[in-house]
Amino acid sequence: EAQVTQNPRYLITVTGKKLTVTCSQNMNHEYMSWYRQDPGLGLRQIYYSMNVEVTDKGDVPEGYKVSRKEKRNFPLILESPSPNQTSLYFCASSPIPLSNTEAFFGQGTRLTVV
Amino acid sequence: AQTVTQSQPEMSVQEAETVTLSCTYDTSESDYYLFWYKQPPSRQMILVIRQEAYKQQNATENRFSVNFQKAAKSFSLKISDSQLGDAAMYFCAYNQAGTALIFGKGTTLSVSS
Repeated sequence: EAQVTQNPRYLITVTGKKLTVTCSQNMNHEYMSWYRQDPGLGLRQIYYSMNVEVTDKGDVPEGYKVSRKEKRNFPLILESPSPNQTSLYFCASSPIPLSNTEAFFGQGTRLTVV
Repeated sequence: AQTVTQSQPEMSVQEAETVTLSCTYDTSESDYYLFWYKQPPSRQMILVIRQEAYKQQNATENRFSVNFQKAAKSFSLKISDSQLGDAAMYFCAYNQAGTALIFGKGTTLSVSS
């Protein structure tokens, strides 16, 4: 089944403790991206990747890192999480950089930083 | 920068009725793509419908249709014969230069029987 898989789906952590949210797609998509969703703000892009070893900042990259060493994986790294990074996170992929093609989303990761 | 505005934080509709969700956007580009996504309580993002700006014909997918007014930069979603399963948050999104989807803040739709 074609899908984007995020892990974990729920995570509670403490301020300053490094964490990684994994994202993997099995559709051989070139484009992958991370968004965060906050109440009243919609979804905002954190980082995106057009292909292996090619990443770029989105609208809200501060406090996040990403890497794209393999086509299928695009982990999101929070080196020193803070409470303002408490949010719902989505990974997305599409076969080519976005045009009219559908972006496939993961199930979301609910992160709470205390 | 491109922006997407959904002016209705919440909407409600009765089963079998029709409801229209509003979306406006701001762009200086002439060729772009617009989308409506549905997010039910499961949190999954589901594509409802898409529209290419160069197409004058409004997109339709079963009970879902759009009213695309390019000059007015308006892209509303009409849901006909509403069903309980349509209850969700709906996001309007604009494709920016092939690298990002720009989302509105969302409209929560409730459906009553």
